[in-house]
Amino acid sequence: AQSVAQPEDQVNVAEGNPLTVKCTYSVSGNPYLFWYVQYPNRGLQFLLKYITGDNLVKGSYGFEAEFNKSQTSFHLKKPSALVSDSALYFCAVRARVGYNQGGKLIFGQGTELSVKP
Amino acid sequence: EADIYQTPRYLVIGTGKKITLECSQTMGHDKMYWYQQDPGMELHLIHYSYGVNSTEKGDLSSESTVSRIRTEHFPLTLESARPSHTSQYLCASSVRDRAGNEQFFGPGTRLTVL
Repeated sequence: AQSVAQPEDQVNVAEGNPLTVKCTYSVSGNPYLFWYVQYPNRGLQFLLKYITGDNLVKGSYGFEAEFNKSQTSFHLKKPSALVSDSALYFCAVRARVGYNQGGKLIFGQGTELSVKP
Repeated sequence: EADIYQTPRYLVIGTGKKITLECSQTMGHDKMYWYQQDPGMELHLIHYSYGVNSTEKGDLSSESTVSRIRTEHFPLTLESARPSHTSQYLCASSVRDRAGNEQFFGPGTRLTVL
């Protein structure tokens, strides 16, 4: 069965410091991996995805994520955090079993990022 | 502008009422999804659709029903709302032809059943 784990419910970072939001996954075969961000009272916004190729993926708003197959991880990173980055972050995975499998995403439980001035 | 819309954004109703949450997208996507987001923030897939006249139940059992008569429209209906249905409901859509495509989400409907 597919699963995603975000081990930290909350991450606190000072503005200007680097941030990391952790994600590990379990899926049969090679995964598609995604990061989404959710601001209060809003839907999810797509940040970045790993499909294939370079393990370091760059996305919106200066975020990047590194796919590590041996550790089954896809941690989200940013070199210098902004107060406006404070939000809820979701990691998601989909197995490569063909597009007719409904394209279902399995989401992690979310990590609340708080960036203080 | 291509987008995905949900109405209403907020809804407070009494127990036993029938409600329909609307979701429309103007992106021409074939796949559409409904997620329920509980107070603990986790997202659970409750319904999805490959295209017109196609609907499937998701991973989380739900008393709601959906229909897909038009590509752009994927409404969710609760015949008799209960307090246990209080939650945030998120609609999403994606392109059909590649599994690696991301889903686009609407702003959500926050439902409170008294």
